[in-house]
Amino acid sequence: SQTIHQWPATLVQPVGSPLSLECTVEGTSNPNLYWYRQAAGRGLQLLFYSVGIGQISSEVPQNLSASRPQDRQFILSSKKLLLSDSGFYLCAWSSHAAYEQYFGPGTRLTVT
Amino acid sequence: QKEVEQDPGPLSVPEGAIVSLNCTYSNSAFQYFMWYRQYSRKGPELLMYTYSSGNKEDGRFTAQVDKSSKYISLFIRDSQPSDSATYLCAMEDTSGTYKYIFGTGTRLKVLA
Repeated sequence: SQTIHQWPATLVQPVGSPLSLECTVEGTSNPNLYWYRQAAGRGLQLLFYSVGIGQISSEVPQNLSASRPQDRQFILSSKKLLLSDSGFYLCAWSSHAAYEQYFGPGTRLTVT
Repeated sequence: QKEVEQDPGPLSVPEGAIVSLNCTYSNSAFQYFMWYRQYSRKGPELLMYTYSSGNKEDGRFTAQVDKSSKYISLFIRDSQPSDSATYLCAMEDTSGTYKYIFGTGTRLKVLA
């Protein structure tokens, strides 16, 4: 069966500090990978998605970036965090052969 | 107009009630429909998915899709306090974009 991991689970970072969130998927190959942000009381905002290694699509222009160094690894980064970057960050995956999307446990980021 | 509209609630019902959660959408290209349950501070969990109009049942849950009206529903029978969560609808147009559009979620509280 497939499993998706995210870490860390919670993070408190000062404004201007860098960020690296990691997501890995087990039990599948060549998944589509996604990063979402969920602000309190709001829906899911798609930040980045990747349909394969080296292929990253950005949905929202901001100070975040994503990379996919390995087939089942997806990393969300920032060089300098803003207060507005606070939120609940979710990684998700889907298969090219099916349309269901599965989410990881999330990382709660607070920028102070 | 948002592509997907979902009543944010909160919706409070007594234990044992039948719950109806709904989403409307505007893009007729949407073909694949999903419902997620999200507990507080957790990642969304895929509950039901369907690719066609009609009903799909799984235990106490029934997903209903009416493509002609661009309307989807999730029914929960014999609701339990453990069903208290936020329910998100999601859709994908199966055109190969691998992108999903989410409703903002309906917060449900089942009272014991």
